[in-house]
Amino acid sequence: RKEVEQDPGPFNVPEGATVAFNCTYSNSASQSFFWYRQDCRKEPKLLMSVYSSGNEDGRFTAQLNRASQYISLLIRDSKLSDSATYLCVVNSLKAAGNKLTFGGGTRVLVKP
Amino acid sequence: EPEVTQTPSHQVTQMGQEVILRCVPISNHLYFYWYRQILGQKVEFLVSFYNNEISEKSEIFDDQFSVERPDGSNFTLKIRSTKLEDSAMYFCASSQEIQETQYFGPGTRLLVL
Repeated sequence: RKEVEQDPGPFNVPEGATVAFNCTYSNSASQSFFWYRQDCRKEPKLLMSVYSSGNEDGRFTAQLNRASQYISLLIRDSKLSDSATYLCVVNSLKAAGNKLTFGGGTRVLVKP
Repeated sequence: EPEVTQTPSHQVTQMGQEVILRCVPISNHLYFYWYRQILGQKVEFLVSFYNNEISEKSEIFDDQFSVERPDGSNFTLKIRSTKLEDSAMYFCASSQEIQETQYFGPGTRLLVL
C-alpha cells in the first residue's frame, strides 16, 4: 500500500462549482497533515494545514479522519486560478527528522 | 516575504560528472531539506539537516549524495557521479522549527545526458 494515496484526476470543475477530493495515508503514527498546491513545473506551496477538528480558510475546507486515515479538501466557488495539482502531505515526526511524505497529487482543472 | 532561493534554475550535465545544487534557506530557519521530483512523479524526500548534520535520509540518498552548509547562508546538495536517473527537479526546503511548515524553493531542474 502506498504511504499517501490520492486520486490523480483530473477533476474537471465548472467555474463557481464545488469540488472535493480525499487522500488516504497508511502510517497511523503520522502526526501532521497538509495540503500543498503545485502549479506546473513549480515548487509545492502550502495551501493549508489540516487539524483534527477540521479547518477552513476562505473557500477551502480541510478535514482529517484519523480513525479511517484519510484527509479531505473541499473547494467552494471554484476560480480559474484554482487549477493546479493538490498534494496531500503527511509528516511522521521523529526525534530529529522531519520528513514530509507526498501523495502523487490530484489534478484539478477549473473551466469557464 | 522571505523565501527560499535556489541556483541554478536549470543544469545540464554529462553522466558521471559532479554537480552541486545550491540553496539559500530562509534566514532564521534551522532545519533544511532536499526533495526531488522526477518528471510526472511525486515529490520524494531525500535528506533533512539540522545543527550541521544529517538528521534523516531516504534510501535514495546513497553514497553519491552529500549535503553541506559551508557558511551561514548556503545549503548545498552534491551528486558525485551523476546517473541518467538523477534527472529530476530538486527542491530545497527550510523550516524554523522541526514541527513548523516547510517552505520550498523554486527548484533546480537537473538533466543528465
